[in-house]
Amino acid sequence: GAVVSQHPSWVICKSGTSVKIECRSLDFQATTMFWYRQFPKQSLMLMATSNEGSKATYEQGVEKDKFLINHASLTLSTLTVTSAHPEDSSFYICSANERGLRDTQYFGPGTRLTVL
Amino acid sequence: AQSVTQLGSHVSVSEGALVLLRCNYSSSVPPYLFWYVQYPNQGLQLLLKYTTGATLVKGINGFEAEFKKSETSFHLTKPSAHMSDAAEYFCAVTLRGSARQLTFGSGTQLTVLP
Repeated sequence: GAVVSQHPSWVICKSGTSVKIECRSLDFQATTMFWYRQFPKQSLMLMATSNEGSKATYEQGVEKDKFLINHASLTLSTLTVTSAHPEDSSFYICSANERGLRDTQYFGPGTRLTVL
Repeated sequence: AQSVTQLGSHVSVSEGALVLLRCNYSSSVPPYLFWYVQYPNQGLQLLLKYTTGATLVKGINGFEAEFKKSETSFHLTKPSAHMSDAAEYFCAVTLRGSARQLTFGSGTQLTVLP
């Protein structure tokens, strides 16, 4: 149980285009989903926290207009990287709290974004 | 605010030897503590967690960790390393009653030598 999927697993795009990454909880309802960014050989940095039906809360230094987060349902959150640039290339990982079990986050497999 | 320190960014052990990965935390309130493992180009998999109750917690793949409040530590151990244990390990902390935001340590790369 408690499986989180991400799509796509990897994406290559041209500079200036937008990319959407989906995060789904497959067998549970996720009241809260989190988006992280991970650079090579580094730890995870929290970008934002999203609750179903409300606006995401962004961490300091994260541009909300560049990283658009939508949490439209209890099983789906999306991260859209708008007008992507090479410096946005990274590994993006989502996680989710199971409804009623807020003490554990389950992580997706990650999405490797490369901006040319 | 909370923080996590993982001592040793790289740890090497021989196959069959004891694995010890160190984690110390700082928290103003009783924390929840976690260990996650990450294989290359994959997400994080939960190894074990401490929330309340027994301070020695057992996880998957033979790993265990002990919460020591007096030492503010949550070290991860495994009696006998296997080649498949080679991966990146992250210690993380969150506060009870918070929005469950995890704060991660910097990670420890475990290498298992044949």
